[in-house]
Amino acid sequence: AAGVIQSPRHLIKEKRETATLKCYPIPRHDTVYWYQQGPGQDPQFLISFYEKMQSDKGSIPDRFSAQQFSDYHSELNMSSLELGDSALYFCASSLGSYLYGYTFGSGTRLTVV
Amino acid sequence: AQTVTQSQPEMSVQEAETVTLSCTYDTSESDYYLFWYKQPPSRQMILVIRQEAYKQQNATENRFSVNFQKAAKSFSLKISDSQLGDAAMYFCAYRSANTGNQFYFGTGTSLTVIP
Repeated sequence: AAGVIQSPRHLIKEKRETATLKCYPIPRHDTVYWYQQGPGQDPQFLISFYEKMQSDKGSIPDRFSAQQFSDYHSELNMSSLELGDSALYFCASSLGSYLYGYTFGSGTRLTVV
Repeated sequence: AQTVTQSQPEMSVQEAETVTLSCTYDTSESDYYLFWYKQPPSRQMILVIRQEAYKQQNATENRFSVNFQKAAKSFSLKISDSQLGDAAMYFCAYRSANTGNQFYFGTGTSLTVIP
């Protein structure tokens, strides 16, 4: 069965650079969620989209932006990268309400040097 | 690739009663970690309990305990004396001890606590 695809799997960037992470939800899933998990920390909710509109916002820094496109894939854009942005970034997708279950991607490991 | 399966999309429990959430996983690795995360409506993920695969003793955190069956690749969460604040989405997760870059999550179990 198709899963949530995240690309790239690994990314290394220098401070002050920009990074773009992509998430391809399960077909027909209309909701996408982004999480950031720093070393030894719980995943932190960043932002979510439903039907291409932002539906919920968590602790997403102003340097980050995200959007969901017409094909429901989502991109997380991160500018002016800082060392503290090094983390595992998860994307999850669901159909409508989260009560029907999420499917998580396996994450993108971002390392800022 | 590792897979994590939560076969119960929804569960309910009476306040003060005990409930068990099931989780199975598939891996060829021998060294790994298993987690249960709680996700309230705020969507934040809160670590409930963690188990190292090399430990035979089941992890316990206050009212939360796990039944870790390594041979059966089963990792269930037992919540005793359920409270209204336990109502949330619960995710089971797997992480390799060797290639710790990737987490694998189940699809979640929505727990309702009935007063």
